[in-house]
Amino acid sequence: EAGVVQSPRYKIIEKKQPVAFWCNPISGHNTLYWYRQNLGQGPELLIRYENEEAVDDSQLPKDRFSAERLKGVDSTLKIQPAELGDSAVYLCASSMVPSGTEAFFGQGTRLTVV
Amino acid sequence: DQQVKQNSPSLSVQEGRISILNCDYTNSMFDYFLWYKKYPAEGPTFLISISSIKDKNEDGRFTVFLNKSAKHLSLHIVPSQPGDSAVYFCAASPGVKTSYDKVIFGPGTSLSVIP
Repeated sequence: EAGVVQSPRYKIIEKKQPVAFWCNPISGHNTLYWYRQNLGQGPELLIRYENEEAVDDSQLPKDRFSAERLKGVDSTLKIQPAELGDSAVYLCASSMVPSGTEAFFGQGTRLTVV
Repeated sequence: DQQVKQNSPSLSVQEGRISILNCDYTNSMFDYFLWYKKYPAEGPTFLISISSIKDKNEDGRFTVFLNKSAKHLSLHIVPSQPGDSAVYFCAASPGVKTSYDKVIFGPGTSLSVIP
């Protein structure tokens, strides 16, 4: 069974440019999460989806970040415009139910803003 | 203010010896704790968990100990193997039935097991 798939794996952009990350969760997983992991820190939640509904986006910087999960399957996270401080690894995770013992993470997208 | 702390950024251990990774938390509402393992260029993968009703949970070479009064937990790996070299994240949650988005991750400890 395929795991959580993210693309691209790496992205280098100049500041003020837009960027988008894509995530395809494990089949049948209704819950999808986007995390940001800064260097030397643990993952921090940006947004959680239940099917196509964003149920917790309190940590998402809404002035420049947006996300969508059309049809409740794959999801896109966008930053526009990117800032130097957005350089981080962006992780997508999914789980079958919103609670429970674990979520399954993708490999992440490493973003470098120069 | 970090609610989950891993005060050792890195740890080196000889192959075959015990690795002990420590984690402290500040929020007394945390009731469920997880350890994740992360290899370079991969996402974190679940390793082991423990509920606050227990003080120990064992899975093969991995054992997690919880001292709730001290708000401290530790992960023991015995014997350590070179393939255990990875970053280990401690995470805490208000409960196993709580929404996963309430899970708070620590900053991680990078373990190197030397052959």
